[in-house]
Amino acid sequence: DAMVIQNPRYQVTQFGKPVTLSCSQTLNHNVMYWYQQKSSQAPKLLFHYYDKDFNNEADTPDNFQSRRPNTSFCFLDIRSPGLGDAAMYLCATSRRLGGNTEAFFGQGTRLTVV
Amino acid sequence: TQLLEQSPQFLSIQEGENLTVYCNSSSVFSSLQWYRQEPGEGPVLLVTVVTGGEVKKLKRLTFQFGDARKDSSLHITAAQPGDTGLYLCAGGYGGSQGNLIFGKGTKLSVKP
Repeated sequence: DAMVIQNPRYQVTQFGKPVTLSCSQTLNHNVMYWYQQKSSQAPKLLFHYYDKDFNNEADTPDNFQSRRPNTSFCFLDIRSPGLGDAAMYLCATSRRLGGNTEAFFGQGTRLTVV
Repeated sequence: TQLLEQSPQFLSIQEGENLTVYCNSSSVFSSLQWYRQEPGEGPVLLVTVVTGGEVKKLKRLTFQFGDARKDSSLHITAAQPGDTGLYLCAGGYGGSQGNLIFGKGTKLSVKP
């Protein structure tokens, strides 16, 4: 059974039209992450939540926001998508913070901006 | 800027061949993880290595962490088409600070 579920798998949005991607987890993990992955590039961390504490990476554009209403769900909001925001968006969870902990990834949402 | 360099970037081989891919950094990591990502899917963890010089085996896959904990290699014996995918290494600094730093990956294609 899938443990980190992302919806939708594929999302097409118009330039400048707000879009929300969702992630849910059944692992009861404390930490949830959002990564952006463009073709042939490494996943780039946008932000993470440790429980309710939000941590934004310094170079994450203001256009990207996140919400975590409860342990199980986390949302990525893109306020005004540009063509450069087309990418695979990966949600991941881990039991704790720190680079030694295993990250469990969802299947990703591929975002297309037209 | 901490970077993980992976090589080669692309690798296309025939079924049955052996291969090695590399992950190198100028930074010392407390652990290094290898993930495989299939097209249209999220990365799946293969292994975590934490001790300098450590070798771990997962069926036909052999992972090694460098003695200085700055580099790692993944060797696949007798590759199969099912091994096709993007192999990502990710370094961690341990403790409660910091997150995984990912390399760009090696895209492996194994032809039958």
